[in-house]
Amino acid sequence: DQQVKQNSPSLSVQEGRISILNCDYTNSMFDYFLWYKKYPAEGPTFLISISSIKDKNEDGRFTVFLNKSAKHLSLHIVPSQPGDSAVYFCAASYQGGSEKLVFGKGTKLTVNP
Amino acid sequence: EADIYQTPRYLVIGTGKKITLECSQTMGHDKMYWYQQDPGMELHLIHYSYGVNSTEKGDLSSESTVSRIRTEHFPLTLESARPSHTSQYLCASSESRDLRSEQYFGPGTRLTVT
Repeated sequence: DQQVKQNSPSLSVQEGRISILNCDYTNSMFDYFLWYKKYPAEGPTFLISISSIKDKNEDGRFTVFLNKSAKHLSLHIVPSQPGDSAVYFCAASYQGGSEKLVFGKGTKLTVNP
Repeated sequence: EADIYQTPRYLVIGTGKKITLECSQTMGHDKMYWYQQDPGMELHLIHYSYGVNSTEKGDLSSESTVSRIRTEHFPLTLESARPSHTSQYLCASSESRDLRSEQYFGPGTRLTVT
């Protein structure tokens, strides 16, 4: 049973526009969420995180929104750049879960020049 | 920039061979992890360690074993490789002082068992 779901396997946007990547979770005990970016033949790199006590966290071009009632979070990238083309993974953890991360399957973002 | 290394990056090996995937980090992190990822799928935690002489199995059952004799080193061993072990193996580490610190990943080892 998948606890973290990224229902869009791929997303294509034009350079300069907004990219919105979505993630849903089923485990109400999750209280910390992270986004990772992964290029081919490399390991994932951390992008941004959010605690469940917040509903928004911003870092430069990246903003993560959390809707706890809907068990939904999204990553906004504005403006999108060709270098943002990668696979984006949503991950979640909870205290008492040994801080283990549970990952989604990822969304492949392509930013077209 | 995270300093976590994995060798080899790619490995093609025959069934029945014993293999060890190496993972080292120079950040002094106490916590280290091994994930397994198949193409287009999520990362699954197979082993983790909270420090020297500490190892635990993850959420995904794995026939591999790990050891943590030194803080910086967390090797993964398969005693007898099988085609079902073909996958990408990712090592990660994180700080222990902050319960919610992010995990830093190595570049991964892509294993193919023929």
